[in-house]
Formats: sequence, structure tokens, C-alpha cells
Amino acid sequence: ETGVTQTPRHLVMGMTNKKSLKCEQHLGHNAMYWYKQSAKKPLELMFVYNFKEQTENNSVPSRFSPECPNSSHLFLHLHTLQPEDSALYLCASSQVGGGDQETQYFGPGTRLLVL
Amino acid sequence: AQSVTQLDSHVSVSEGTPVLLRCNYSSSYSPSLFWYVQHPNKGLQLLLKYTSAATLVKGINGFEAEFKKSETSFHLTKPSAHMSDAAEYFCVVRPSGSARQLTFGSGTQLTVLP
Repeated sequence: ETGVTQTPRHLVMGMTNKKSLKCEQHLGHNAMYWYKQSAKKPLELMFVYNFKEQTENNSVPSRFSPECPNSSHLFLHLHTLQPEDSALYLCASSQVGGGDQETQYFGPGTRLLVL
Repeated sequence: AQSVTQLDSHVSVSEGTPVLLRCNYSSSYSPSLFWYVQHPNKGLQLLLKYTSAATLVKGINGFEAEFKKSETSFHLTKPSAHMSDAAEYFCVVRPSGSARQLTFGSGTQLTVLP
């Protein structure tokens, strides 16, 4: 679990607030991911970054804005969220290279509540 | 297209008895398959993975899973449940050649009774 860290672990925000989630990986990986985990729903992939470049945006609303300044850090900037955006946001990282190397390792998540 | 079906949303076992969590998958290509576990208020921890080597895969904490292509299954088992095994378990598929697109099952909540 210490390989991928996320801060904050819990966040409460109003719909007009702006906040950011941070993820850091210490595994030497070069791909990073944001997932959303809502109650009673399977994990949803939001964004994928490969060598700091965004390679996938899974039709995520623009009120979620990712940023990947380097291969070790990933941010998710939040603004004007809706109550239905309340969820556990998970970050993951992996190596890029095919097969076994692409196993994803997850952080502990940020529990977000939008009021 | 790929999909994952976890056949039971909840499983209850007594401590010391065997655990069976069922997973069936659908994938157009030879997939990689994973089981992750999530304890309350924690992230996902990798239990084990199948990536086209041995079909019987051993993982952490005494868990193992067998890849059965003919049955398109990847069931998770453990001979003897421990109280600390109580958690939610996710079966995950990734088709070969698709580097990053994982498909998650809806999860199985395992309860271990004393």
C-alpha cells in the first residue's frame, strides 16, 4: 500500500468549491490512472496517463481536470462538482511494457463527499 | 468486448471453512485475469494474477485461483477462512494487447462468521 499514496484520504466540499486530489507513486512506474468507485457500481476508469501524456479520457465531465506533471505524480482538480460525484477516487500505477509488467497497483483512495 | 461476472454479491462462511468466490469472464482475446481485495476504507490490493503461464495461480494470504478456459472461469478459493479475510473481492479482466483497459466485476462481499 505504501507504493502508491493518495492525499487527502477524506474530503468534504461544497458544489462551488475547488479542490485537488493528489497521487504519488514510488514504484518507478510510467503509467498512472484515476478510477471512480461509487456505491453499488463497478470501478470506472476515468483517465490514463502514459509517460505524462493523457492517453484515455473515459467521457469524464470537464468538472474533473487531471494533471500529470511527471511520471510519479498525478492530480485530479475538482470544480463545481455535483452530489452524485461523491465516491471513492482511486489512483493506480503500472509499468508500460506489456504482459505482467502492466499489473496495476492501487492507492488507498480519497473518499469524497460533495454537499 | 470484455466483461466480468461475479456470480455472488455476498458470500458468508464460517471461520476455518473453505472459501469459494466465483468469477466468469468474456473476452475476445486471451486475457489476463486478476483478483483484488478491498478492506473497509482501503484501496485495492492485488491478491493474484494470471497472465498465460500456469493455470493454477497462487496468491497472497493462502488464496489461489484456477484459470479454466473451457469454462471461462477464474474462481478464487482458500482452504480455510480467517476473520481477517472479510472484505470485498474484485475479479478483473484485461485482454491481451490492450495495455491498460481493465474491466472490473461488481465485487463479492465476503463475511467470515466466528
